[in-house]
Amino acid sequence: QVQLVESGGGVVQPGGSLRLSCAASGFTFSSYGMHWVRQAPDKGLEWVAFIQYDGSNKYYADSVKGRFTISRDNSKNTVYLQMNSLRAEDTAVYYCAKVAVSSVAGNFDAFDIWGQGTMVTVSS
Amino acid sequence: QSVLTQPPSASGTPGQRVTISCSGSSSNIGSNYVYWYQQLPGTAPKLLIYRNNQRPSGVPDRFSGSKSGTSASLAISGLRSEDEADYYCAAWDDSLKVVFGGGTKLTVL
Repeated sequence: QVQLVESGGGVVQPGGSLRLSCAASGFTFSSYGMHWVRQAPDKGLEWVAFIQYDGSNKYYADSVKGRFTISRDNSKNTVYLQMNSLRAEDTAVYYCAKVAVSSVAGNFDAFDIWGQGTMVTVSS
Repeated sequence: QSVLTQPPSASGTPGQRVTISCSGSSSNIGSNYVYWYQQLPGTAPKLLIYRNNQRPSGVPDRFSGSKSGTSASLAISGLRSEDEADYYCAAWDDSLKVVFGGGTKLTVL
């Protein structure tokens, strides 16, 4: 079945770095754009970043631009989120999500599959 | 605060019809599709409505979406206890970002 499994979360000090991974299975990963979305404790959803199916286009939320980098390895069916210069306000559950429609046509479409999330805590 | 505006809470009794509004601007809802996500307690979000008013397979037809101008709404008819969840609207913005509403907590009385 179609599945996304995030990993890499944990506790990190302010100013530190962390790399999240999202392993995909059950679909042709290389044909679909992918997103990262986060949710701070008891708060709403906040979009973080998007990467096109072939990695050629990447978009970021203003709150993470210049600090976070989204990337993908289609040979490993995995999307990554490299997080640098972490702040307390980056504390959240981070979800990866798959775009519903393949190729560039899906760039602006819905997120049809979500992972279970991985918790990132930024604290000294 | 969130770019898209939703009421923080909504409620209804079993069998009732409830609607949740989502207000945006010309650069997001006004020119792009609206999506709705349902998040049950302690779980990941789930796609409920896509492209303003389309339901993914498996989503009951009790759920419906609509859009007019820079606003959208989610309607739930025949309310059931299992509909108690947080509901989020979302849309792409012309600035190449995805924007979410702040979420609406639905309580089934």
